[in-house]
Amino acid sequence: AQSVTQPDIHITVSEGASLELRCNYSYGATPYLFWYVQSPGQGLQLLLKYFSGDTLVQGIKGFEAEFKRSQSSFNLRKPSVHWSDAAEYFCAVVPNFGNEKLTFGTGTRLTIIP
Amino acid sequence: DAGVTQSPTHLIKTRGQQVTLRCSPKSGHDTVSWYQQALGQGPQFIFQYYEEEERQRGNFPDRFSGHQFPNYSSELNVNALLLGDSALYLCATRIWGVQETQYFGPGTRLLVL
Repeated sequence: AQSVTQPDIHITVSEGASLELRCNYSYGATPYLFWYVQSPGQGLQLLLKYFSGDTLVQGIKGFEAEFKRSQSSFNLRKPSVHWSDAAEYFCAVVPNFGNEKLTFGTGTRLTIIP
Repeated sequence: DAGVTQSPTHLIKTRGQQVTLRCSPKSGHDTVSWYQQALGQGPQFIFQYYEEEERQRGNFPDRFSGHQFPNYSSELNVNALLLGDSALYLCATRIWGVQETQYFGPGTRLLVL
């Protein structure tokens, strides 16, 4: 079955440390890939997306993600986290162009410690 | 330029009741999608409206219905509420065919008692 997996439910990182959040997908072809962030009581904000081309994509707030076809992964990274990065992060896919439905992973909650 | 707005922000209902949630799209957007986000879960796609028609639907029962108005705003209706319908309901709007223009609203939190 088609699915999106975020294996880490909760991650704690020290402020200033690097971050990597994992995302794996199970689809027949390369889907369109997204990372969203959700702060408490807020809606979802798009961090970055991958449709095609360069497999390393840059997003807002200093985030980047790398698409690896061989591993069916689209991991999110940030070299140095800030306390304001504490939030819930969701990986999402659209199977193909013209399919409107975003399928989300279950999310990774990021806690930042001083 | 106002973003996506949703009303109300919070709502409490009892089992068996009906509820209507509203979404006003970002300026220039003509497509509205609705998502249900249960506590601790990722959002799940309910359906999408464009040109006042339902274009795509997720795995939700017929108790969930919607409408889109000529000004592109939308309503989500849920009949015969169940406890399991308690969730954050998110509206996302964009320009038809342009995935990267999608914006999410802040959501309506529904509690069914």
